[in-house]
Amino acid sequence: EAGVAQSPRYKIIEKRQSVAFWCNPISGHATLYWYQQILGQGPKLLIQFQNNGVVDDSQLPKDRFSAERLKGVDSTLKIQPAKLEDSAVYLCASSLVGSRFASGSSYEQYFGPGTRLTVT
Amino acid sequence: AQSVTQLGSHVSVSEGALVLLRCNYSSSVPPYLFWYVQYPNQGLQLLLKYTSAATLVKGINGFEAEFKKSETSFHLTKPSAHMSDAAEYFCAVSSDSWGKLQFGAGTQVVVTP
Repeated sequence: EAGVAQSPRYKIIEKRQSVAFWCNPISGHATLYWYQQILGQGPKLLIQFQNNGVVDDSQLPKDRFSAERLKGVDSTLKIQPAKLEDSAVYLCASSLVGSRFASGSSYEQYFGPGTRLTVT
Repeated sequence: AQSVTQLGSHVSVSEGALVLLRCNYSSSVPPYLFWYVQYPNQGLQLLLKYTSAATLVKGINGFEAEFKKSETSFHLTKPSAHMSDAAEYFCAVSSDSWGKLQFGAGTQVVVTP
């Protein structure tokens, strides 16, 4: 079974530029998550999709960040314009279902390798 | 509301010694608890999870954790450290119906020969 794929793996941009990250979840997984991991901190959830719909985007800085999930499969996360404090690793994860009331491993989140963004 | 506190940002252990990583949580409802490991330049991998069944949970690579409600803790242990255990470890709690994870700040484990 192929894992969660992300691209690019590394990106360096100047502040005020825009950048986009791509995520392809595990086939059949209904739920997709984007996390931001700043150096020295744990991952922070930015947005959660259940199929095409947004379940939680309460911590997404909507003035500069946007995300979409095309046809309930792939997803892109965009930053425009980037700030220095956006330097982080952006992790994508997917799970079979998003509810904690799901049984067994269907609730487990699988993570991609991440995209390391450096804003200069 | 939910939160996680990991005590100790860095832990150094000798090869063959006990590994003990501490995690305390707060949650307004019965939580699900997780430990993840992250190797350099890689994503997170699930070590083990507690989802209201047995309080002693066994995971991969010889790790286990015990859920103690009275202490609001979910500490991770491994009896004998291997060099390959050097990585960063994250504790996470989930308390809402959509499975949102709240992560701790992480503990970096260094294993010395």
